[in-house]
Parts: sequence; structure tokens; C-alpha cells
Amino acid sequence: EAGVTQSPTHLIKTRGQQATLRCSPISGHTSVYWYQQALGLGLQFLLWYDEGEERNRGNFPPRFSGRQFPNYSSELNVNALELEDSALYLCASSVPSLIRNTIYFGEGSWLTVV
Amino acid sequence: GENVEQHPSTLSVQEGDSAVIKCTYSDSASNYFPWYKQELGKRPQLIIDIRSNVGEKKDQRIAVTLNKTAKHFSLHITETQPEDSAVYFCAAPIRGSGGYQKVTFGTGTKLQVIP
Repeated sequence: EAGVTQSPTHLIKTRGQQATLRCSPISGHTSVYWYQQALGLGLQFLLWYDEGEERNRGNFPPRFSGRQFPNYSSELNVNALELEDSALYLCASSVPSLIRNTIYFGEGSWLTVV
Repeated sequence: GENVEQHPSTLSVQEGDSAVIKCTYSDSASNYFPWYKQELGKRPQLIIDIRSNVGEKKDQRIAVTLNKTAKHFSLHITETQPEDSAVYFCAAPIRGSGGYQKVTFGTGTKLQVIP
């Protein structure tokens, strides 16, 4: 069974540009989470999608946005890139169960803003 | 608040000693508590989890304990080895303002096992 897949693995952008990151959840998972992890730091929650709807949003500016498609894959868009957006962006997926909320992470997308 | 607190932020132990990482959570309805290990440059991976109907769970050198009354849970690693060096994250489903239980992570503990 395929795990959570993310693309691209690495992305280099110039300040002011836009970046789009993609995520495919594990088959059968309907929830997708996005996290930002700056080098050496913790997991900063960005967005949570379930069944195509945004369930929750972290403390990030509106230039961070995303969506979830009917096949449950997801896209994270970052507009007007700033140098401090350079980080590892992790996508995770889970079943929407209140009993067992295990989430599984993808390998991540490394975004470098120069 | 909607949070999970984790301590300590860094932990250094001698090889063979034990390591303990503690987390507290705010939502009394939380019922599932996973722990993740993140090695340098890699993704966080689930290493052990516990449900609210048990107080302790063991898997070889790793154990997790849960105190629902006090709303805290801990990760115990015995006979630590250099390959245990990593960042460890606890997590719990915390109900947010929208009414949904969202998986919420602690701030992480960087464990260093000194050979």
C-alpha cells in the first residue's frame, strides 16, 4: 500500500513568487493535514482538510492557502513568498475517526526561497 | 487552550540510561495519544500509541503511560542506544473552536544519546 506522497521533493523559488505543493493521501484516508517545519524546529500546523472542506487553520497569513480535491488529494499554495517561508512542508493523512487519530506523514517538500 | 505541552525540549542521556518525555493535554475528551520519532532530515514516524482505555503500553524498550485524570502521558525509553537520538513528538486530538477534534502536536523533545 502506498504511503502519503508529496511533490515536488525540492523547490527553489524567488522572493515574491508563488509555490504550489501537492499531496496524495493514503488510500481510504479523507483527512489531510499540512505542517511547516523550519530547520530544527517543531511542527507548525497550517491547514486541515476533510471531505473537501477546510476544518481548521493555523496562525498563518492568508497568503498560505490550499484546497482538497474530490479524490482527497490536496494542494498547498504559498503566495508572495518571503525568505522565512523556507522550510520543510509536511503533509499527513488520516481516517476521520475519533477513536484512532493516527496520522501518517509524507516525506515532505523542501521549499527554499532565495 | 487548544494545546499539548511537552517537556523537556532537550534531553541528553548516557547510552544505556533511561529517557522520559512528558506531555500534558487540555481536552478531557481526548482518547488517543500517539508518539512520533523524527530522525534528522526524515519525516516523523509513529513509534507507539495508547488509547484512553489503558494506562500503559509497552513495545520492547519503549513504553507509554497515560493518566487521564491528570491529563498527562509520558514516553519511556529504556536502555537507550545512539540510534534513539532524534526529535520526539507527542500528540493528542484536541477539540477546537469549530467543534472538530484536530490532531495537535507537542513542541518536540530533542533526545541525544551519548555513547
